[in-house]
Amino acid sequence: GAGVSQSPSNKVTEKGKDVELRCDPISGHTALYWYRQSLGQGLEFLIYFQGNSAPDKSGLPSDRFSAERTGGSVSTLTIQRTQQEDSAVYLCASSFGTRGNYGYTFGSGTRLTVV
Amino acid sequence: AQTVTQSQPEMSVQEAETVTLSCTYDTSESDYYLFWYKQPPSRQMILVIRQEAYKQQNATENRFSVNFQKAAKSFSLKISDSQLGDAAMYFCAIILQGAQKLVFGQGTRLTINP
Repeated sequence: GAGVSQSPSNKVTEKGKDVELRCDPISGHTALYWYRQSLGQGLEFLIYFQGNSAPDKSGLPSDRFSAERTGGSVSTLTIQRTQQEDSAVYLCASSFGTRGNYGYTFGSGTRLTVV
Repeated sequence: AQTVTQSQPEMSVQEAETVTLSCTYDTSESDYYLFWYKQPPSRQMILVIRQEAYKQQNATENRFSVNFQKAAKSFSLKISDSQLGDAAMYFCAIILQGAQKLVFGQGTRLTINP
């Protein structure tokens, strides 16, 4: 596609439920990143994909968080048993090749609210 | 590990005036890239300007320019002739040569007063 597409744009869920957030990167971009932005905070790195593999999962905050990428394209971030502290904007980005030297292209994010 | 510090949580400027946003960073590496991103209410992060650490010349993009001081590890953003559309959160970020992970500062909220 022309840009990085994320869905849903907004998600309200009850505490304890599982949620899936989707990211569709720019066609041809092999690298894909997930970041979390809590209210009034900067961007916190979660996970990085190169193709379908995830060489860096160091930012996932707990084992309730997981992500996968299939076909070297679409990625899904899953949060199990959501907690109120999971409320944040989840941003996805993609870049071409194995280097981020030219920066990333970001999507508009998914705002997750856990009530 | 790299860190990025933006010491101004909020800034405001009159329309058509010039404003400078501060950013300092810390890294033990010598090869890296620095970025300023803009995040309007739409939430999408937009790349404003990029600087290669090995270049002494400051990057410029139209009304946006940087003051890159490598020895001081400082990377400030100057916005000239501020426009209402410049109102947004601005994030400073660093990535090491050969790395994949951008590290961001906490952001500065810029308000433009008409």
